[in-house]
Amino acid sequence: GIQVEQSPPDLILQEGANSTLRCNFSDSVNNLQWFHQNPWGQLINLFYIPSGTKQNGRLSATTVATERYSLLYISSSQTTDSGVYFCAVEWMGAQKLVFGQGTRLTINP
Amino acid sequence: EPEVTQTPSHQVTQMGQEVILRCVPISNHLYFYWYRQILGQKVEFLVSFYNNEISEKSEIFDDQFSVERPDGSNFTLKIRSTKLEDSAMYFCASSEPGQGIYGYTFGSGTRLTVV
Repeated sequence: GIQVEQSPPDLILQEGANSTLRCNFSDSVNNLQWFHQNPWGQLINLFYIPSGTKQNGRLSATTVATERYSLLYISSSQTTDSGVYFCAVEWMGAQKLVFGQGTRLTINP
Repeated sequence: EPEVTQTPSHQVTQMGQEVILRCVPISNHLYFYWYRQILGQKVEFLVSFYNNEISEKSEIFDDQFSVERPDGSNFTLKIRSTKLEDSAMYFCASSEPGQGIYGYTFGSGTRLTVV
């Protein structure tokens, strides 16, 4: 099956800093999503981004499908951005998402 | 964005008891899924369901697990005889053919604690 690797595993920043989270995957994909898991355990869908670039407020994401990676950018971090960020992919011919191990982001005030 | 609804949000059960986790997928979606997340670990695929039958299941999804779509709106996961290691967050998800503009939509999860 496909391998999904996220880096870094942990990231600790001060409020106001910018951050970049990376997701590498080992095969061609037809779906890639970024999720934020909040302190209550809910998976919040941030982006559906199999290719290209999208922006939503302080968050943006870029997927370069030909090079098999995606980046999630968070600008001007706030304490509410803390949590675990997951990348998940569906590879060609599959009908399920496979999740990476996640990046735990901690934003200190 | 449309929502997937899961009930209950929390459930505590005794080892050996049967539990049923319930989900209402998005109405025009055709693919339904259950995922599991043990505390501190990644989200793992359990099973996918399409056209009223299981289309794929993982090694985790053994004979203790079953899924059902009893009517046109609900999708359930049953664990027949719960074990301590079944304690986890269970997520239901749904998707439409071609993914649409949102991809897979996940519910808020059911936190199952087996004591």
